[in-house]
Amino acid sequence: NAGVMQNPRHLVRRRGQEARLRCSPMKGHSHVYWYRQLPEEGLKFMVYLQKENIIDESGMPKERFSAEFPKEGPSILRIQQVVRGDSAAYFCASSPLITYEQYFGPGTRLTVT
Amino acid sequence: DAKTTQPNSMESNEEEPVHLPCNHSTISGTDYIHWYRQLPSQGPEYVIHGLTSNVNNRMASLAIAEDRKSSTLILHRATLRDAAVYYCILRDRVNTGNQFYFGTGTSLTVIP
Repeated sequence: NAGVMQNPRHLVRRRGQEARLRCSPMKGHSHVYWYRQLPEEGLKFMVYLQKENIIDESGMPKERFSAEFPKEGPSILRIQQVVRGDSAAYFCASSPLITYEQYFGPGTRLTVT
Repeated sequence: DAKTTQPNSMESNEEEPVHLPCNHSTISGTDYIHWYRQLPSQGPEYVIHGLTSNVNNRMASLAIAEDRKSSTLILHRATLRDAAVYYCILRDRVNTGNQFYFGTGTSLTVIP
């Protein structure tokens, strides 16, 4: 059973460009979570999605950030007009319908130049 | 999200037991205690969780105080591969939004 997959693993974007981060949850998992980790800090929750629904986006910045989890395909975290402060590691996690464990992917390290 | 307090860093000698403490004095009756760890350049990895009773699994043991205001993660024989940041997290099993709130954790150094 493949784990949570994220791609790309590393992403470099210039200021003002768009960044698209993809997350494929574990097979059978319908809940996806996105976290951001700034250098030397702990993970910060951003958004929680189920298929075609955003359940909790209380940790998402109000502008430039959006997330989706379509019926088919991976979950996407989209950052428009990136700025240097967006440089961070972005982790995706998934869980089955009824559980308290989350399984994390290896992360995407975004660098904005 | 209830708060947890952990030491910033700890050291252990290889093959010795390690006790990682966590204080959670504001814990509610419906909060589960979770431990995750994050190895360098990797995503967090589930270690163990519990509610009231002590728990054991192949990775570690979790000792929970009788008043539940503190807990201790026990690694029975530290190896170099256990060097990681360990996060103690509380999550409400009733009002579960399913997200975890990570603090800064304890950075464990294992000395060969």
